[in-house]
Amino acid sequence: GAVVSQHPSRVICKSGTSVKIECRSLDFQATTMFWYRQFPKKSLMLMATSNEGSKATYEQGVEKDKFLINHASLTLSTLTVTSAHPEDSSFYICSANRQIGETQYFGPGTRLLVL
Amino acid sequence: SQQGEEDPQALSIQEGENATMNCSYKTSINNLQWYRQNSGRGLVHLILIRSNEREKHSGRLRVTLDTSKKSSSLLITASRAADTASYFCATDARQAGTALIFGKGTTLSVSS
Repeated sequence: GAVVSQHPSRVICKSGTSVKIECRSLDFQATTMFWYRQFPKKSLMLMATSNEGSKATYEQGVEKDKFLINHASLTLSTLTVTSAHPEDSSFYICSANRQIGETQYFGPGTRLLVL
Repeated sequence: SQQGEEDPQALSIQEGENATMNCSYKTSINNLQWYRQNSGRGLVHLILIRSNEREKHSGRLRVTLDTSKKSSSLLITASRAADTASYFCATDARQAGTALIFGKGTTLSVSS
């Protein structure tokens, strides 16, 4: 089956630093990937749609300068949390699907803790 | 934004019992998917049901979809302690191929 990986799985950083999270589709090409954020005991909230070769589409209320997305290849999207603050601490999950309208596969998530 | 609501928000049952979770959504959909998430972990895809389907089975899982009521249900039969997890429904509420919008989830606890 399709596999999506994320790296790192867990990261702790100091306030003010930037953190990069990678999302890779391991056995298929994904022109579109999605980034979600999940706070404890809450559901997943869509942050942005990452489009290969073009700018990401951000959901309302998500700062594009804060959460930089780069989709440089058909198998890799990166999310950079810039100048991270404690309120950015969360579980970040990416997803992708093989074909439009089909099952979306999720990465294992990255837990970010900003001190 | 959240697409829908699951109910109940929390469900506690004994092993062997059936667990039913419901999901409602607001807009027209192409398909609806159910996912499972163990505490602090990633999502596991359970089942996808298309808007032109009414019922689907996978092992001990049974999913129904009522597009007229904009609702779906997930039934887990003969539950096991290992089924303890959070369950989410998600819909692709816009053009096909775009992101999933998740419901708030149901936390299922199965005790042995």
